[in-house]
Formats: sequence, structure tokens, C-alpha cells
Amino acid sequence: KAGVTQTPRYLIKTRGQQVTLSCSPISGHRSVSWYQQTPGQGLQFLFEYFSETQRNKGNFPGRFSGRQFSNSRSEMNVSTLELGDSALYLCASSLVPQGDTTGELFFGEGSRLTVL
Amino acid sequence: DAKTTQPNSMESNEEEPVHLPCNHSTISGTDYIHWYRQLPSQGPEYVIHGLTSNVNNRMASLAIAEDRKSSTLILHRATLRDAAVYYCILPMSGSARQLTFGSGTQLTVLP
Repeated sequence: KAGVTQTPRYLIKTRGQQVTLSCSPISGHRSVSWYQQTPGQGLQFLFEYFSETQRNKGNFPGRFSGRQFSNSRSEMNVSTLELGDSALYLCASSLVPQGDTTGELFFGEGSRLTVL
Repeated sequence: DAKTTQPNSMESNEEEPVHLPCNHSTISGTDYIHWYRQLPSQGPEYVIHGLTSNVNNRMASLAIAEDRKSSTLILHRATLRDAAVYYCILPMSGSARQLTFGSGTQLTVLP
């Protein structure tokens, strides 16, 4: 069974540009969550999508957005990149529906973004 | 949201048991306790979760205090592959997919 796939694995952008990251969840998983990991702030929740709808959103500015397609694949977009957006962006998929407190998250290996 | 407290680092010898503690004194009655770990250069990996009673799976055991204000993740025989950062988490807003990761415990396994 294939795991969570994130593309691209590495990318370099300059300030002011925008970036789109992609996540393919495990087959059958309908929930996709995104996290940002930096050395200073650790792992922080960005947002969660379930059945093409954003269910939860973390404390990030509007420059961070996402969407989910009918096949559960998800993309996140960061516009007007800042140096502080340099991070590892992790996607996680889950089988359980929203509101469940016991679901297991399956994480991908992440997309490492460097903003120059 | 309930907060967790873990030691910054711990060491263990290979093939010995490891007990990783976590304090969560403000836990609510419906909060599940989740543990994840992150190996170097990888995304986090689910380890175990529980509510009130002790839990076992192929990776580890979770011992939950009777008052639920603390818990302990037990690795029965540490291997070098178990060297990772271990996170004890109480999900935000009751959702298991909106996790607040703290700084975790860096486990070093000595050969």
C-alpha cells in the first residue's frame, strides 16, 4: 500500500514569489492535514481538508491556502513568500471522518521549501 | 487546549526498556493521549494512543495514570532505530487530525 506522497521534495524560491505543494493521500483516506515544521516553532498545524471542504484552520496568515480535489489529493499554496516561510511542509492523511478523536495520521516525507 | 510537558532528552541503552514520561495536568475527560515519533529526516510516525486504560500495540505500550494527569510511553526493548523525537499530544478541539506538537523528547539509544 503506497504511503502519502508529497511533491516536490525540495524547492527554492525567492521572496515575493508563490509556491504550490502537492499531496497525494493513502488510497481511501479522505482527510488531509497540512503542517509546517521549522526549527524555531516546531510542528504547527496549518489546515485540514475532508471531502473537499476545509474543516479546521491553524493560526496562519491568509497567504497560506489550500484545497482538496474530488480524488482527495490536496494542494497548498503560499503567496508572497517571506524568508520566514522557509520550512518543511508536511502532509498527513487519515481514514477517519471529522470529529473523531482517535484517528491515526499518516505523514509524508515533506516538501522542504527554501526562500531566498 | 490541554498542554503537555516532556523532558527535553533521554538516553537509553540498546535492548533495554525505555520509559518516556508526559505530564498533562489540565487534560479533560474526553481528551485522548496520542504519541507520535519523528525519526531524522522523516515525517512523524504514529506510535500509540489511549484514553483511560493502558494500551499495547506492536510498537509500544502506553501506561496512563489513574487520574489521567500523566502517562508513560514504554518501549520494551530499545533499538538503534528507536532513536527519534517522541511527542506526547492532546489533540486540539477534539480532532485527532489537528495536533499541537510540543518540543518532544529526543531519545538517544546507545549501542
